[in-house]
Amino acid sequence: DGGITQSPKYLFRKEGQNVTLSCEQNLNHDAMYWYRQDPGQGLRLIYYSQIVNDFQKGDIAEGYSVSREKKESFPLTVTSAQKNPTAFYLCASSIVGHSYTDTQYFGPGTRLTVL
Amino acid sequence: AQKITQTQPGMFVQEKEAVTLDCTYDTSDQSYGLFWYKQPSSGEMIFLIYQGSYDEQNATEGRYSLNFQKARKSANLVISASQLGDSAMYFCAMREGRDNYGQNFVFGPGTRLSVLP
Repeated sequence: DGGITQSPKYLFRKEGQNVTLSCEQNLNHDAMYWYRQDPGQGLRLIYYSQIVNDFQKGDIAEGYSVSREKKESFPLTVTSAQKNPTAFYLCASSIVGHSYTDTQYFGPGTRLTVL
Repeated sequence: AQKITQTQPGMFVQEKEAVTLDCTYDTSDQSYGLFWYKQPSSGEMIFLIYQGSYDEQNATEGRYSLNFQKARKSANLVISASQLGDSAMYFCAMREGRDNYGQNFVFGPGTRLSVLP
């Protein structure tokens, strides 16, 4: 079955630690995205990537970093510079990204808690 | 200004009845797409239905249909024959034609639907 997987489902981090959230897709999609969702709120874009080895900052990129070494994979690192990282993180992908008809499909999410 | 408005923070519906979730949008683009997603308590965002700005027919997908009124800039989701499993948050989203890379995929604040037995 094609889809998007995210791991881990739950992640706990101590203050000052970097953590990496995994996102893998086997849909053969070119575009991938990372969103953050805080309780009772909508989604905010952190980073997006249209092709391998290229990615762009979204609305709230500070304190986060990404890489896109493979088409299938788009890991997100939450660095110690992110002041309030406790949130739900969703990864998404779409076919090519540059059409308003493109649907974004989402993974199951990772819930990050800072202790 | 909010590009997507969902005025119903919470809705209740009796099992097997139909329910309409409201969504209004704001754009000056002629080309745009409207999307509805379901987010159950597990957190995953599940794509439900899509409507393009040039589509003349209202979109339908199984029990989901979209009541698209372009002049009023509304794209309401209609769920027929509600089931207990429909209880979730529902998000309306929009992507404008000028958005070249999907970086401005705008989500509304969501409506929490509770289906009563």
